[in-house]
Amino acid sequence: DQQVKQNSPSLSVQEGRISILNCDYTNSMFDYFLWYKKYPAEGPTFLISISSIKDKNEDGRFTVFLNKSAKHLSLHIVPSQPGDSAVYFCAASPRRGSARQLTFGSGTQLTVLP
Amino acid sequence: DSGVTQTPKHLITATGQRVTLRCSPRSGDLSVYWYQQSLDQGLQFLIQYYNGEERAKGNILERFSAQQFPDLHSELNLSSLELGDSALYFCASSVGADGYEQYFGPGTRLTVT
Repeated sequence: DQQVKQNSPSLSVQEGRISILNCDYTNSMFDYFLWYKKYPAEGPTFLISISSIKDKNEDGRFTVFLNKSAKHLSLHIVPSQPGDSAVYFCAASPRRGSARQLTFGSGTQLTVLP
Repeated sequence: DSGVTQTPKHLITATGQRVTLRCSPRSGDLSVYWYQQSLDQGLQFLIQYYNGEERAKGNILERFSAQQFPDLHSELNLSSLELGDSALYFCASSVGADGYEQYFGPGTRLTVT
């Protein structure tokens, strides 16, 4: 049972254009969402997060949008750069006591073409 | 560099064997998390330790166990290994028990032959 789904395994975008990565979730207990970026042979790197009390969070070129009614979030990268080419994982977390465990999607490989 | 270190980077072993993966969290982080990433899968949460105590448990097999030591480093022990245990094992750390932002190590690639 995949509680966090990234339905696009890959995405190619031209440099300078917008990259939009999508993520859907099924568990209504999730209240915190994160995006991680992963380069080959490295661990995932935290990129940006959003709490369920917000619908948008922005950090430089990266913006995450959350649509709670649709159980959908997206990551927008504007403008896309070749260095953004990586696998992007969406993750979600419920609050269980004081512990948080992350449930990850299967990832989307973003390729930014020069 | 996230500040989280994992050893070894690669491990090749045979079915039925036992291995230990080691993780040192970022300086000041009290929580350690273990994740498994199998081929074409997202990261699966295994277990969390906070300041030496088990905090949360995910899809961790009974053949697997972990602990966190007084110096806060953690070890993941995998025993009676099967071919299906071949995967990347990541360790992450965070400051508190609430792992809002977890910082990941580079992973240990385990191959069971």
